[in-house]
Amino acid sequence: GAVVSQHPSWVICKSGTSVKIECRSLDFQATTMFWYRQFPKQSLMLMATSNEGSKATYEQGVEKDKFLINHASLTLSTLTVTSAHPEDSSFYICSARDALGRASSYEQYFGPGTRLTVT
Amino acid sequence: RKEVEQDPGPFNVPEGATVAFNCTYSNSASQSFFWYRQDCRKEPKLLMSVYSSGNEDGRFTAQLNRASQYISLLIRDSKLSDSATYLCVVNGGSSNTGKLIFGQGTTLQVKP
Repeated sequence: GAVVSQHPSWVICKSGTSVKIECRSLDFQATTMFWYRQFPKQSLMLMATSNEGSKATYEQGVEKDKFLINHASLTLSTLTVTSAHPEDSSFYICSARDALGRASSYEQYFGPGTRLTVT
Repeated sequence: RKEVEQDPGPFNVPEGATVAFNCTYSNSASQSFFWYRQDCRKEPKLLMSVYSSGNEDGRFTAQLNRASQYISLLIRDSKLSDSATYLCVVNGGSSNTGKLIFGQGTTLQVKP
């Protein structure tokens, strides 16, 4: 149980185009999903917290107009990188909390990640 | 100062060795602590939660010292398959946002 999928697993796009990444919880409902970015040899950095039915909460320094997040259902959140540039090339990982989990539980289930390369 | 600090390593050890990783965190309000394992170009996977009383799972032992804001992971009888990056993870403060803060990770290479 507790499987999170991401699609696509890798994508190459041209500078200036937009890319949408999907994050799905396959066997549980997730009121909260998280989007992270990881550059080579660095740790995961939280970009935003995606809340079902409401606006996402972005971390300091993350442009909300560039990284559009939609969490329209309890099993799907999407991240759209708009007008992508080479510096946006990174490993994007989502995670989800089980909506029925204990309030005190911080365990997150991670998707397999999406490797974005912008040329 | 980083919120979660780890020695990035790499730690190069022979098979069968015992190796210990340390981690410090800055937010005294943090309540939940984890060790995750990340293989190259893969997502992090939960290795174990860390409890105040310390906990053990097979060859892995985790310890938490709240007073010193220090977390450790001990791996006994290292296997080649233990080679990975180990991430120290702490929840982001006392609010129930579920936010996790990741350390930079410590890289372990187990050699035959």
